[in-house]
Amino acid sequence: DVKVTQSSRYLVKRTGEKVFLECVQDMDHENMFWYRQDPGLGLRLIYFSYDVKMKEKGDIPEGYSVSREKKERFSLILESASTNQTSMYLCASSPRPSSYNEQFFGPGTRLTVL
Amino acid sequence: GIQVEQSPPDLILQEGANSTLRCNFSDSVNNLQWFHQNPWGQLINLFYIPSGTKQNGRLSATTVATERYSLLYISSSQTTDSGVYFCAGEEAQGGSEKLVFGKGTKLTVNP
Repeated sequence: DVKVTQSSRYLVKRTGEKVFLECVQDMDHENMFWYRQDPGLGLRLIYFSYDVKMKEKGDIPEGYSVSREKKERFSLILESASTNQTSMYLCASSPRPSSYNEQFFGPGTRLTVL
Repeated sequence: GIQVEQSPPDLILQEGANSTLRCNFSDSVNNLQWFHQNPWGQLINLFYIPSGTKQNGRLSATTVATERYSLLYISSSQTTDSGVYFCAGEEAQGGSEKLVFGKGTKLTVNP
């Protein structure tokens, strides 16, 4: 079974703090993704990576950065957390071949920024 | 980019009823998936169904790629089926490998 894990289920931070959200997958997938989910807005892609040290901006990258130093780990960084970054953050991974790249999701991290 | 429209947005059923959820795409998609989001927020993979029909227990799905839609059937619904169902697809043009999600169908199954 594919397993995607995220470092925290719930996180509370203060405005201005630097926040790290970690995601690890155990299926040797090339692609990894970070989404945020907000009521009424659905899932929106923040960043994705198709290889180690590679990253691509998604639809809403502002205020975020990412790091992928190892194939199995993809980190989302909030350089200076703000209250409008309070959200549910979901990580996903998928294999690379375009003929089959089913995405699998982690359990999510509910981040509250006070 | 492509638009993904799900219907209905909300659905309330009595336990044991059957239902059909629909997903329409504005353009051709690859790698169509259906997910169920449980009450704790996790997205559970239901079907990877770029085309054709698949069945898994009480759930089945059909994708007609040429007509740009997919259907999810739930038979003999149970209270544990409650939650939000999402469909998502990857744009066929451009090979971006990014999924575009619909807004979801919120299903409530009452005992």
